[in-house]
Amino acid sequence: QVQLVQSGAEVKKPGASVKVSCEASGYSFTTYAIHWVRQAPGHRLEWLGWINTGSGSTRYSQKLQARVTITGDTSARTAYMELSSLTSEDTAIYYCARDQWEGLHNWFDPWGQGTLVTVSS
Amino acid sequence: DIQMTQSPSSLSASVGDRVTITCRASQSISSHLNWYQQKPGKAPNLLIYGASSLQYGVPSRFSGSGSGTEFTLTISSLQPDDFATYFCQQSYVTTWTFGQGTKVEI
Repeated sequence: QVQLVQSGAEVKKPGASVKVSCEASGYSFTTYAIHWVRQAPGHRLEWLGWINTGSGSTRYSQKLQARVTITGDTSARTAYMELSSLTSEDTAIYYCARDQWEGLHNWFDPWGQGTLVTVSS
Repeated sequence: DIQMTQSPSSLSASVGDRVTITCRASQSISSHLNWYQQKPGKAPNLLIYGASSLQYGVPSRFSGSGSGTEFTLTISSLQPDDFATYFCQQSYVTTWTFGQGTKVEI
């Protein structure tokens, strides 16, 4: 079945970087884009960016574009999200999700299981 | 960015109740609205896409309606498995944004 499996929880110090992976299975990896979304305590879901896994092109949220980098490894069927210059505000669960579409509509399905990133000194 | 506002933020209901959740967009998004269910410790799960299309495998007690700026998610007869948080998401502008969530509690 279609599945996205993410890497494990991370604890980082302020100022460090974190890289989260998202391994896809059950479908043609390069046919569907991958999104990254985070959920911080007490905050709504926030879209971070996405990668066209076929071409490698990316687009990021304006808020985080200076600190986030999304990459893909087609041979490993894996997408990565790296966030730099971490602060406590970046403490959140980070999700990857597959882009799905029909006609002019698109949505995120399925989602990875989430990766907790904790930023603490 | 398009702002999405859900109401209520939380509600208490009983098994068998009809539940309606509203999502409003800060500008017209046509029918580019999705609904997700999230249970504690789990990732969001797609329920409805394109405002009213039921995702395969989702029970028919879930339905969505609306267009423009106002949308509703309705659960016709609440079941024990439905106690969760529900989010709307706009996909009209591809800097996707989400509502703040509605927690459905017993």
